[in-house]
Amino acid sequence: QVQLVQSGAEVKKPGDSLKVSCKASDYTFSAYGISWVRQAPGQGLEWLGWISVYKHTTNDAHKFQGRVNLTTDTATSTAYLELRTLRSDDTAVYYCARANGMGWLPSWGQGTLVTVSS
Amino acid sequence: EIVLTQSPGTLSLSPGERATLSCRASHSVSSNYLAWYQQKPGLAPRLLIYGASSRATGIPDRFSGSGSGTDFTLTISRLEPEDFAVYYCHQYSTSPDTFGQGTKLEIK
Repeated sequence: QVQLVQSGAEVKKPGDSLKVSCKASDYTFSAYGISWVRQAPGQGLEWLGWISVYKHTTNDAHKFQGRVNLTTDTATSTAYLELRTLRSDDTAVYYCARANGMGWLPSWGQGTLVTVSS
Repeated sequence: EIVLTQSPGTLSLSPGERATLSCRASHSVSSNYLAWYQQKPGLAPRLLIYGASSRATGIPDRFSGSGSGTDFTLTISRLEPEDFAVYYCHQYSTSPDTFGQGTKLEIK
């Protein structure tokens, strides 16, 4: 059973940086990509970007370019989302998800609540 | 970017009834790279359908997807109590990936 376990909730101040981890297990980590999706309170889903674990290439949503950095550590089967210069509207639950084939998302982490507040 | 518009925003039905959810794209979704997810409060989304019409592993056959180009539909043939949730469509054909705003399926 594919598992993605994310790091715990965080409280940040405006201007801070955030790093969320996503540890994968029970599948070949390098064979799939990882997408990151967030959900603001009471809102819908928003795609932040995708990383190919095998090719080490990324594709970020234009809205987040310059602020987001997606990385992976194949030694520990862990993906990371870094988001810089946080604002209050970055308050959301952040999800990682394994990307199959051309990009559908069959397996999700449990989510990491990030609160940005002064 | 491809904008996905879901309708209706809220759908009120009773268990046993048929649900039809729509997802319309602002531009053609190539190769039918469209998925549907179900989300319940406090939980991560759950993949139901990918490739517009392929059911994900373990998804009951009362869920079906159809459509192509710019118009896609998720049909739940006979609603069970556990089906009341929010449903999202997701296109992954053109970067950036985008999601619809969701349809809330509520008990009438």
